[in-house]
Amino acid sequence: GAVVSQHPSWVICKSGTSVKIECRSLDFQATTMFWYRQFPKQSLMLMATSNEGSKATYEQGVEKDKFLINHASLTLSTLTVTSAHPEDSSFYICSAPGTRNSYNEQFFGPGTRLTVL
Amino acid sequence: AQKITQTQPGMFVQEKEAVTLDCTYDTSDQSYGLFWYKQPSSGEMIFLIYQGSYDEQNATEGRYSLNFQKARKSANLVISASQLGDSAMYFCAMREGGNQFYFGTGTSLTVIP
Repeated sequence: GAVVSQHPSWVICKSGTSVKIECRSLDFQATTMFWYRQFPKQSLMLMATSNEGSKATYEQGVEKDKFLINHASLTLSTLTVTSAHPEDSSFYICSAPGTRNSYNEQFFGPGTRLTVL
Repeated sequence: AQKITQTQPGMFVQEKEAVTLDCTYDTSDQSYGLFWYKQPSSGEMIFLIYQGSYDEQNATEGRYSLNFQKARKSANLVISASQLGDSAMYFCAMREGGNQFYFGTGTSLTVIP
């Protein structure tokens, strides 16, 4: 149980286009999901917290108009990178909180590798 | 102050030997959880082990054990009998009262045959 999927697993796009990444909780409901960004050989940086039925909460320095987040249902959150540029190339990972063996944990998606040409 | 500190950017270990990856944390909460994740080159975050702040015994999961020293605020990961497949990035993370996780900068482990 507690599986999180992401689609696509990788995407290459031209500069100026928009890219949508989906994060789904497959066997549990997630009223909250987290979006992270990771540059090569660096740690995960929290970008935003996605909340079902309400606006996302963005971390300081993250442009909310560039990284649009929609948490449309209890199992789906989407991150849209609008007008992507090469500096947006990164590894994007989502996660959803859940319970494992009576403790709270985050279950991670497999990640999406975005390359902007 | 950093919530999670991993001071070893890279570590090498001989196959079949044990290795310790360091992690210290900073929190004023009484209730928190500590996690270790493995991230191979594929990028997926693989859960390894969990230690709750109230757990009196060190957590163990197969070849992984967590050396929890609460007074020193350290939560080191010990991997016994290293295998070539253990080569990866390892992240220490902490969850405080809410759902947000704090991650360390990671340690790159290379297992040498």
